[in-house]
Amino acid sequence: DTEVTQTPKHLVMGMTNKKSLKCEQHMGHRAMYWYKQKAKKPPELMFVYSYEKLSINESVPSRFSPECPNSSLLNLHLHALQPEDSALYLCASSQAGPGNYGYTFGSGTRLTVV
Amino acid sequence: KNEVEQSPQNLTAQEGEFITINCSYSVGISALHWLQQHPGGGIVSLFMLSSGKKKHGRLIATINIQEKHSSLHITASHPRDSAVYICAVIGWGGGADGLTFGKGTHLIIQP
Repeated sequence: DTEVTQTPKHLVMGMTNKKSLKCEQHMGHRAMYWYKQKAKKPPELMFVYSYEKLSINESVPSRFSPECPNSSLLNLHLHALQPEDSALYLCASSQAGPGNYGYTFGSGTRLTVV
Repeated sequence: KNEVEQSPQNLTAQEGEFITINCSYSVGISALHWLQQHPGGGIVSLFMLSSGKKKHGRLIATINIQEKHSSLHITASHPRDSAVYICAVIGWGGGADGLTFGKGTHLIIQP
């Protein structure tokens, strides 16, 4: 299996809702990432988990809460989001150590906050 | 922090033309990715390079580590090549540092 699977593909949520985005990979990668991408912009790094520990948190608002229950799964819990949080949320994975390792991206979750 | 610059930002060409997209970065890296993203879609990694040249079908990617520069070439371009092409670099900390992205090149190939 050489894929990163993200669910759901599309999500519409109200500002008072709580929802979760899910990401799964079975390539044995020990680093997993959440990126946020607004229209016509490059992705922005939100969180990095390395060996199931949060290693990078790029000053993301607390209404986004990541979770890495095991080495294959990565969740992003959403609560009290704002309309400006509407974006494509991309999950990716790679090997964790220094060196030239490949990245694999999921197809993304298109989030709309109403 | 690494600054990644891509050129051109937008490129429209006719089917069959040879396409070149350039990427330069400011700080030494361990690897560079060329990524492809179709409108509204996820990201696909086309190449990962740390030196030299790689070829896959009609796509060729080169990197010059000394000059901190990489190019992506598309030969015999086709309308299905229309997409955003993004250059992204990995620092010496390896994959767990995340990628630093260029702003992307929006390529349109007209029939």
